[in-house]
Amino acid sequence: DVKVTQSSRYLVKRTGEKVFLECVQDMDHENMFWYRQDPGLGLRLIYFSYDVKMKEKGDIPEGYSVSREKKERFSLILESASTNQTSMYLCASSFAAGGNNEQFFGPGTRLTVL
Amino acid sequence: AQSVTQPDIHITVSEGASLELRCNYSYGATPYLFWYVQSPGQGLQLLLKYFSGDTLVQGIKGFEAEFKRSQSSFNLRKPSVHWSDAAEYFCAVGGLTGGGNKLTFGTGTQLKVEL
Repeated sequence: DVKVTQSSRYLVKRTGEKVFLECVQDMDHENMFWYRQDPGLGLRLIYFSYDVKMKEKGDIPEGYSVSREKKERFSLILESASTNQTSMYLCASSFAAGGNNEQFFGPGTRLTVL
Repeated sequence: AQSVTQPDIHITVSEGASLELRCNYSYGATPYLFWYVQSPGQGLQLLLKYFSGDTLVQGIKGFEAEFKRSQSSFNLRKPSVHWSDAAEYFCAVGGLTGGGNKLTFGTGTQLKVEL
């Protein structure tokens, strides 16, 4: 089975802190994604990566950056956390080539910024 | 741009009753359509997907969905709901154009099951 793991299930940080969310997948997927999930808004794409060191902005990239140094690992970085970034963050991965590829999700990280 | 509408934010059904969750999409080419389920505190799990062929798709846990191109819909159904089906359900659309491998998700439908 495909496994996508996220470094923390729950995280509490203070305003202005630099925050790293880590995601690792074990199925040699080319694509990796970061979403945030908020009640009533569904999942919104922050960034995605289709190859090592490659990244593209999603729908809401402001205030975030990403890093993909190895194929299996995709990091989301909040350079200076703010309270409006309190949310559930979901990582996903999929094979390349075509929009018909199922995305496999991690369990999520619930981030609270105080 | 692709988009997905799930018009029902909350739905309550009695255990054993039938279920239909609505999903309408907007996409400029042949869509790839997905239904995911999210149990409380968990990530998303794929229920079923449609790429081509038979418009009635069977998924896991007894769910099915029907693709209707003329109505731009991909509604999820289950003949008899179990209490363990209480969760949030997301419809998503993807495709080969205008977004490569990205999926666009609806805002979700929260299902409550009354015993």
